[in-house]
Amino acid sequence: DAGITQSPRHKVTETGTPVTLRCHQTENHRYMYWYRQDPGHGLRLIHYSYGVKDTDKGEVSDGYSVSRSKTEDFLLTLESATSSQTSVYFCAISQRERSDTQYFGPGTRLTVL
Amino acid sequence: RKEVEQDPGPFNVPEGATVAFNCTYSNSASQSFFWYRQDCRKEPKLLMSVYSSGNEDGRFTAQLNRASQYISLLIRDSKLSDSATYLCVVNSISGGSYIPTFGRGTSLIVHP
Repeated sequence: DAGITQSPRHKVTETGTPVTLRCHQTENHRYMYWYRQDPGHGLRLIHYSYGVKDTDKGEVSDGYSVSRSKTEDFLLTLESATSSQTSVYFCAISQRERSDTQYFGPGTRLTVL
Repeated sequence: RKEVEQDPGPFNVPEGATVAFNCTYSNSASQSFFWYRQDCRKEPKLLMSVYSSGNEDGRFTAQLNRASQYISLLIRDSKLSDSATYLCVVNSISGGSYIPTFGRGTSLIVHP
């Protein structure tokens, strides 16, 4: 299995609080992705990174920001959590962009009350 | 309309059956295609890539039809352990980067 960890694995928080999720990889892969998965929607891309300090928005980026200061870490921040951000968040990595497979972390289950 | 469409199922089949899933995509410039498997409350894992010439891995066969813009997955001799959700993924270029788009998944239940 690819070396990807996510922390925390579970979190319950209240509306309006900031939340940061961490994705850590030991594979030295260039590309990193954050997804959310919700019933009826499948996996949707939030943000992705194509290198240190290089990030771009995905399909559902509103309300989220990201940072990548090191190859191995990709942080997802909810500046002010809302109940609509209750979801399972997956981080993924890939070595190349166009034709490469992605390897997923175990996921973070976030509940916003 | 979502860019990548799958029948959510569930497909409920007996052990030993052959089952096929299709996935349609709307972006004709899509470059690469994959099938992932996701078990309940787990992360998705790559099942197989999909090539234009078609490819096979044991009981699994994947096909790509660029003209009709769909990919397919055929599972022969279904096992109980094949029960999972199968996600198709299409990589398409957007703003200079290749962006993966996931279908919502097709649920397969294999029963004794």
